[in-house]
Amino acid sequence: EAEVAQSPRYKITEKSQAVAFWCDPISGHATLYWYRQILGQGPELLVQFQDESVVDDSQLPKDRFSAERLKGVDSTLKIQPAELGDSAMYLCASSLAAREDNEQFFGPGTRLTVL
Amino acid sequence: AQKVTQAQTEISVVEKEDVTLDCVYETRDTTYYLFWYKQPPSGELVFLIRRNSFDEQNEISGRYSWNFQKSTSSFNFTITASQVVDSAVYFCALIVNTNAGKSTFGDGTTLTVKP
Repeated sequence: EAEVAQSPRYKITEKSQAVAFWCDPISGHATLYWYRQILGQGPELLVQFQDESVVDDSQLPKDRFSAERLKGVDSTLKIQPAELGDSAMYLCASSLAAREDNEQFFGPGTRLTVL
Repeated sequence: AQKVTQAQTEISVVEKEDVTLDCVYETRDTTYYLFWYKQPPSGELVFLIRRNSFDEQNEISGRYSWNFQKSTSSFNFTITASQVVDSAVYFCALIVNTNAGKSTFGDGTTLTVKP
């Protein structure tokens, strides 16, 4: 069964350091999402891609976060510099298209701890 | 703006009990989809069900059933004869057609089923 892959699964870093997360969506899925999930809360959308283009990054803290999906397949989310408040689970999801009825398939997430 | 409220933060039941998880949503859109996801301790969100705003039929799938009522803006989820493996965090989510693909999640309900 096709799955969304993410790496690393866990990341511990010190504040002011740079971190990067990688996501490989299900083959053929045009839409890719990055979510941040703070402990005890639901996922919050950070950025949405349609192929290689950003569709929505309204909640992405652009002073320190960046995301790219250069070839419209896998994607990288970067934080530089990391802050204590960035500690969270970062989830990647993909769907066939950006439609309201499309099921999103989630990866296992990357748990980030900033010390 | 959209909002999803899951008022029950934590629920604890004994195995074989029935349990209902509540979800109340807010939107001005007339076309939208509602979802339920399960997040086990491993972290990956697993899709359970999707319901569109024009279909108020209740649905049963094995031990799971869903009650959608537009009049009260609720989309409740019932597990019958709960099992220990049902222990997880359950999220309700909303996607409106005017912002296709962008999910608004509730903060989740942590269900613990004790043997």
